[in-house]
Amino acid sequence: DSQMIQSPSSLSTSVGDRVTITCRASQGIRNYLAWYQQKPGKVPKLLIYAASTLQPGVPSRFSGSGSGTDFTLTISSLQPEDAATYYCQKYNSAPYAFGQGTKLEIK
Amino acid sequence: QVQLVESGGGLVKPGGSLRLSCAASGFTFSDYYMSWIRQAPGKGLEWVSYIGSSNSDTNYADSVKGRFTISRDNAKNSLYLQMNSLRAEDTAVYYCARVSRGNYYFVYWGQGTLVTVSS
Repeated sequence: DSQMIQSPSSLSTSVGDRVTITCRASQGIRNYLAWYQQKPGKVPKLLIYAASTLQPGVPSRFSGSGSGTDFTLTISSLQPEDAATYYCQKYNSAPYAFGQGTKLEIK
Repeated sequence: QVQLVESGGGLVKPGGSLRLSCAASGFTFSDYYMSWIRQAPGKGLEWVSYIGSSNSDTNYADSVKGRFTISRDNAKNSLYLQMNSLRAEDTAVYYCARVSRGNYYFVYWGQGTLVTVSS
């Protein structure tokens, strides 16, 4: 089964910074990758699917790229409300594994 | 609007059983695959199971295979998760989620129900 490894596990950055989170699949998954944002005490929110397609209503500062085994979530200009944990998820085939999460803190 | 409301969580002893329910509204329930996803306290997300539009297509994570059973009642717009032989490591918030058409990512989630397995 393909596993999903995210890096870094945590990071602390400043408002306005460009942030990049990576997700690596142990086997190729084409572009069957989604990204979620989860704020403390809240339900996960879908940001991106098909590796790079923005879910309606998600701010355009979020973007995704990649295919095969290596994927990236980028926040172009970090805002205070982006403090959260971010998860990638593969969905090419079961099991639909999530990455372990990246906790993003604002300095 | 799409609404998913879980219920049935609680405290159960190791080896015990529990049945979770998820009441769906705001969409044609029988048209969509559904899934359960869990999150242990302070930990990440773990996909648990999915079920097709009828009860014939199901799949499970290895961690719950043989112990958990997913089912649905389309007449009642409800999803279920029967959990048997519960272990401490099954302690988590359990979310039901609607599977996106044709692709197993999740736009709509319930608020979750907490299952605690402890003696």
